[in-house]
Amino acid sequence: QLQLQESGPGLVKPSETLSLTCTVSGGSISSSSYYWGWIRQPPGKGLEWIGSIYYSGSTYYNPSLKSRVTISVDTSKNQFSLKLSSVTAADTAVYYCARHDFWSGYQPWGQGTLVTVSS
Amino acid sequence: QTVVTQEPSLTVSPGGTVTLTCASSTGAVTSGYYPNWFQQKPGQAPRALIYSTSNKHSWTPARFSGSLLGGKAALTLSGVQPEDEAEYYCLLYYGGAYVFGTGTKVTVL
Repeated sequence: QLQLQESGPGLVKPSETLSLTCTVSGGSISSSSYYWGWIRQPPGKGLEWIGSIYYSGSTYYNPSLKSRVTISVDTSKNQFSLKLSSVTAADTAVYYCARHDFWSGYQPWGQGTLVTVSS
Repeated sequence: QTVVTQEPSLTVSPGGTVTLTCASSTGAVTSGYYPNWFQQKPGQAPRALIYSTSNKHSWTPARFSGSLLGGKAALTLSGVQPEDEAEYYCLLYYGGAYVFGTGTKVTVL
């Protein structure tokens, strides 16, 4: 059974770079033609799609975040990562990772990790 | 900036039927937007219900169904149960990028 788990610092200072990793277990990140994505949810607000990476390495980003976002994959560790630069308090959110494609949708999801931007 | 709009809130009686819609600021929603629907309860991660307009996951209760309705994506809950009270989000595909809907709070009363 495929499982995803987010990890990374829970507190990041303003203007610094937020870095999160999603570890995939129960399957290989490079064995099938899936996308691996990041989604976030500010406290009390709705979901926001951040971006995705295809198993081959192609990336797709939310236009409103594109200048600050980098998503990468490390097949040797079966992980993919999110970097969000120049963060502000508005980037405080629960960050989720998920696998997706057109033929099976967005599943599974990680449990989510809260990242707070504060000095 | 593309906006995907959902009803802010809907109330339904137990055993009743309710339809949630998902509209795109770019025009009519078609199957090419690969609509997804998610359920989220407080403190929990979203749970996928529907993908590619009308396809259900193995865990999706039969009372949930997805469709296209009047130029929008739609999620219909038939025979609503108390445990269906939750926030529901749609997700649309825009040629490489995705946009979540604004969310609908469904209250079972």
